[in-house]
Amino acid sequence: GPKVLQIPSHQIIDMGQMVTLNCDPVSNHLYFYWYKQILGQQMEFLVNFYNGKVMEKSKLFKDQFSVERPDGSYFTLKIQPTALEDSAVYFCASSSQGANSDYTFGSGTRLLVI
Amino acid sequence: GDKVKQSPSALSLQEGTNSALRCNFSIAATTVQWFLQNPRGSLMNLFYLVPGTKENGRLKSAFDSKESYSTLHIRDAQLEDSGTYFCAAEADSGYNKLTFGKGTVLLVSP
Repeated sequence: GPKVLQIPSHQIIDMGQMVTLNCDPVSNHLYFYWYKQILGQQMEFLVNFYNGKVMEKSKLFKDQFSVERPDGSYFTLKIQPTALEDSAVYFCASSSQGANSDYTFGSGTRLLVI
Repeated sequence: GDKVKQSPSALSLQEGTNSALRCNFSIAATTVQWFLQNPRGSLMNLFYLVPGTKENGRLKSAFDSKESYSTLHIRDAQLEDSGTYFCAAEADSGYNKLTFGKGTVLLVSP
């Protein structure tokens, strides 16, 4: 079926540096999401994005986080500066519509901040 | 408390046996998705449900929005069914996002 592609699959970065996680959503999907999963725990909603704007963000979406999707490009999650507690797997998802959607998830980017 | 409560948290099955996983919702869930996360961490979509049931091979899932629960039945468990099963719900009060349960870790052994 249609896939969400995430690049890179793994990233190790020094604390305080900037990192950008990239997501190529399903081609006809309009709604995009980032979720965070700390090792062994459940997935937590970070943010959703539609029509060039953040619709909702959770308490986990710190001021150091930002998202954007320049036309025709990746949907990105940028963390600047990174902190040790940002180490987690970040999953991107997309859906074709808003409410009551079937979400497609990527394989995740494993981020380690050292 | 947890908005999506999964049970059991862990399960060990012998190959060929059957079992059921469950999610109870304390939010007004409108749709439910079930995922299998493999040991490498990738998420596979199993089911997307509005109230009702769906079947796919050895898996069957049901979602009852009035009683606020969903189940995933595994028939004739195979070794490759091992992994972590997550349910996630979308709710009227929190549309455009999924709320996940903590998962059921399933180990199928010979």
